[in-house]
Amino acid sequence: DVKVTQSSRYLVKRTGEKVFLECVQDMDHENMFWYRQDPGLGLRLIYFSYDVKMKEKGDIPEGYSVSREKKERFSLILESASTNQTSMYLCASSPRQVSSYNEQFFGPGTRLTVL
Amino acid sequence: GQNIDQPTEMTATEGAIVQINCTYQTSGFNGLFWYQQHAGEAPTFLSYNVLDGLEEKGRFSSFLSRSKGYSYLLLKELQMKDSASYLCAVLRSNDYKLSFGAGTTVTVRA
Repeated sequence: DVKVTQSSRYLVKRTGEKVFLECVQDMDHENMFWYRQDPGLGLRLIYFSYDVKMKEKGDIPEGYSVSREKKERFSLILESASTNQTSMYLCASSPRQVSSYNEQFFGPGTRLTVL
Repeated sequence: GQNIDQPTEMTATEGAIVQINCTYQTSGFNGLFWYQQHAGEAPTFLSYNVLDGLEEKGRFSSFLSRSKGYSYLLLKELQMKDSASYLCAVLRSNDYKLSFGAGTTVTVRA
């Protein structure tokens, strides 16, 4: 059974803190994604990785960075957390085949609150 | 740019049918996904359409009209467990990334 796990379900941090969100998938997928989900805005892509040590900016990368040192693990980093980064963060993965059918498998999400 | 619209909320009765519409205007199109997301849980895949027409999968069906930039998800014989948010997402042809609508929250009442 396909599985994407995220390190925390809930996280509370203070403004200015460095925050790490971890995601692990056990399906040997090449592609991994980080989204944030906000009411009325839907899911928005922050960063994407298509291989180890490879990354691409998504639609809203400002204030974030990522790390992919191993195929199964994709980390999202908030260098200096701000209150407008309070959100639900969802990780997803998919197989490499970048074709018309590219189903993504999602983790349960991390609800981050920045005070 | 991407513009994907779907209703915010819908309510229906157990056993009834509900149709969730999604309209899109995107710079490139390579298919449309529907995902289901229960509160506090991960989105899960429901359907994918790339050609015009209706795809049926049990109680759920999805329709696509590329010329009209329009899709709908049809939920039949509604059950209480169908209460969830339904996300419409367009696969962009230029970079094969997904652009999501804001989601439609469906509430099924007894």
